[in-house]
Amino acid sequence: QITLKESGPALVKPTQTLTLTCTFSGFSLNTRGVGVGWIRQPPGKALEWLALIFWNDDERYSPSLKSRLTITKDTSRNQVVLTMTNMDPVDTATYYCVYGDFDYWGQGILVTVSS
Amino acid sequence: DIQLTQSPSFLSASVGDRVTITCRASQGINTFLAWYQKKPGKAPKLLIYIASTLQSGVPSRFSGSGSGTEFTLTINSLQPEDFATYYCQYLNRDPTFGGGTKVEIK
Repeated sequence: QITLKESGPALVKPTQTLTLTCTFSGFSLNTRGVGVGWIRQPPGKALEWLALIFWNDDERYSPSLKSRLTITKDTSRNQVVLTMTNMDPVDTATYYCVYGDFDYWGQGILVTVSS
Repeated sequence: DIQLTQSPSFLSASVGDRVTITCRASQGINTFLAWYQKKPGKAPKLLIYIASTLQSGVPSRFSGSGSGTEFTLTINSLQPEDFATYYCQYLNRDPTFGGGTKVEIK
């Protein structure tokens, strides 16, 4: 059974760096073809893809946010970490971790950016 | 970069109606398209992938079609639990989403 769960701060201040962790089970990021990604949804707005990392260390980023994002994996801990720099109130959103085929999602974590 | 445009962005329908949502790609994407259902407070749910393949467990009233630049999601006989927002997504390693279509009760 595949499960994913996001963890991190609920509140960050403007200009700070956000670090979110996705802890997963039921699959391995050492398996060929497997990936884990991050998606977000600001309140009242559309889904937005952020980043993906694959079993072979291939990293993909949204072109509009590429300069602010870093995605890494720790296969021994079954974790994927997303960092987003220079946070702004417009980055307030629910952030989701997703299994690479997008058929399994975490429950999401609401991150609010406010001073 | 591929852009996905959904239409309409909002529609009002009644239980039992047939509903069609369109997703247009800025350039041809073969059949590399998925559809999701999103309800408030819940994670998105994959409905259809590769344009027309129904995800396991999804009711057969949902169907998808299209290829190239134009795709449709059809819901036959809309049920109360189908009122939600629907998104298309380009299925590749830069998986952009469309802007969404909110289906509300008339």
